[in-house]
Amino acid sequence: EPEVTQTPSHQVTQMGQEVILRCVPISNHLYFYWYRQILGQKVEFLVSFYNNEISEKSEIFDDQFSVERPDGSNFTLKIRSTKLEDSAMYFCASVAYATNEKLFFGSGTQLSVL
Amino acid sequence: KQEVTQIPAALSVPEGENLVLNCSFTDSAIYNLQWFRQDPGKGLTSLLLIQSSQREQTSGRLNASLDKSSGRSTLYIAASQPGDSATYLCAVAHTDKLIFGTGTRLQVFP
Repeated sequence: EPEVTQTPSHQVTQMGQEVILRCVPISNHLYFYWYRQILGQKVEFLVSFYNNEISEKSEIFDDQFSVERPDGSNFTLKIRSTKLEDSAMYFCASVAYATNEKLFFGSGTQLSVL
Repeated sequence: KQEVTQIPAALSVPEGENLVLNCSFTDSAIYNLQWFRQDPGKGLTSLLLIQSSQREQTSGRLNASLDKSSGRSTLYIAASQPGDSATYLCAVAHTDKLIFGTGTRLQVFP
C-alpha cells in the first residue's frame, strides 16, 4: 500500500532555532495536512493545504509556522524560532481527492526542543 | 466548538473477548467519522471510515457504527488478540480537518 513518508524520524534542536520537517505525501493525493501530538495529549490539527495554498489553519499555526510544497513531491513544515512548547510528534497526512475520504498518516517526526 | 470524547480511557482484557470502544461528539454536523489505531511512538493507521450518511462499516473483526443524531460511534472488536494492543482514536471530519478524541488504550493479554 502507498505510504506517506516523513523525515527525519527524530529531531533535536535548541530553543530559538529553525527546523524544517519534511514529508512526501502519496503521489496522486491532492490534499495535505500537518497535525501534532504533544505527549499524553490529543492529536491536534495544524494546517491543511490544497492547490498550493493553505485552505485552513488552527490557532496553533501562528506566524512562526509555515508550509510549502517546493516541488511536485515534498511538503514541508517550517518552524522559524522553536519554543520549548513546540516539542511534540508532528504528523503529515494526505488525502486523494476530497476531504471526506480516508486520511493517510506518516509515521511522524518527534521534535524535541531543548 | 466540536469536542470528541472517548471512553474508557484504558482497557485491559484477556485474549478472546469481544470489546466495545465508545466515542461521542458534540456537533452532529460532520462529514465522516474515522477510527485509527496508534502503536507507541508510531503513526496513525486508519481502520474504518464511516460517511455521515452511513450507519456502520465492517473490516474483518472490526465493526464501527455511527449514530450522528445522538453524536455517538462505537468500535466493536471481535475475538480480541494480543496484537490488537494499541491506542484506538476516533476522529470526526469537521470542515477541512479531523478533530480527535483522547483515545482508548487497549491491552489484550494472552
